[in-house]
Amino acid sequence: DTGVSQDPRHKITKRGQNVTFRCDPISEHNRLYWYRQTLGQGPEFLTYFQNEAQLEKSRLLSDRFSAERPKGSFSTLEIQRTEQGDSAMYLCASSPQPGALSPLHFGNGTRLTVT
Amino acid sequence: AQTVTQSQPEMSVQEAETVTLSCTYDTSESDYYLFWYKQPPSRQMILVIRQEAYKQQNATENRFSVNFQKAAKSFSLKISDSQLGDAAMYFCAYRPGGVNFGNEKLTFGTGTRLTIIP
Repeated sequence: DTGVSQDPRHKITKRGQNVTFRCDPISEHNRLYWYRQTLGQGPEFLTYFQNEAQLEKSRLLSDRFSAERPKGSFSTLEIQRTEQGDSAMYLCASSPQPGALSPLHFGNGTRLTVT
Repeated sequence: AQTVTQSQPEMSVQEAETVTLSCTYDTSESDYYLFWYKQPPSRQMILVIRQEAYKQQNATENRFSVNFQKAAKSFSLKISDSQLGDAAMYFCAYRPGGVNFGNEKLTFGTGTRLTIIP
């Protein structure tokens, strides 16, 4: 159990560019979640997967955002045509099964800065 | 929609003393869960303690305990014998109960930054 891994740790990009983040959950964790945390705020839910199926998307996830988990293992979050408002920490979390009694294991996050 | 409010942006406590962090929430649900998460600087968020709304007994985990007041919709965290390693952002979070669609996401408060004074 090496924990949830996110790559890169930091990303600086210019407005209008596309960026992609990767999350490797804990092995055999079926659930994978993406949250976004802006400065001075708590994390906000973006989306989650049960294996490879994306089960829910927040209204925060505009059509410029897309997330995939193609083989039910790692996940990617892509942001197209980045805007300054996309600057935030993007957190990934995984859990072994659904339900509130199954705790979330968070990664260190990817900090995105859009200039 | 559910909301979680943490009215203390920053708190400080002397090492070995006790501190209480406040959290209130708003929901029309009767079945839900409440959590406190800790986010140390540059490290991942970890679960500190969890409370099921249907349980009257307050949850405890070693030096951490909660005061859950369901009628008042209040959920405070008490840290006893504070240690330097307790310094972190603390987030209160809410999750609906059941297995219905939309019940998987956590709603977080804005956090309280806790400083431990040696």
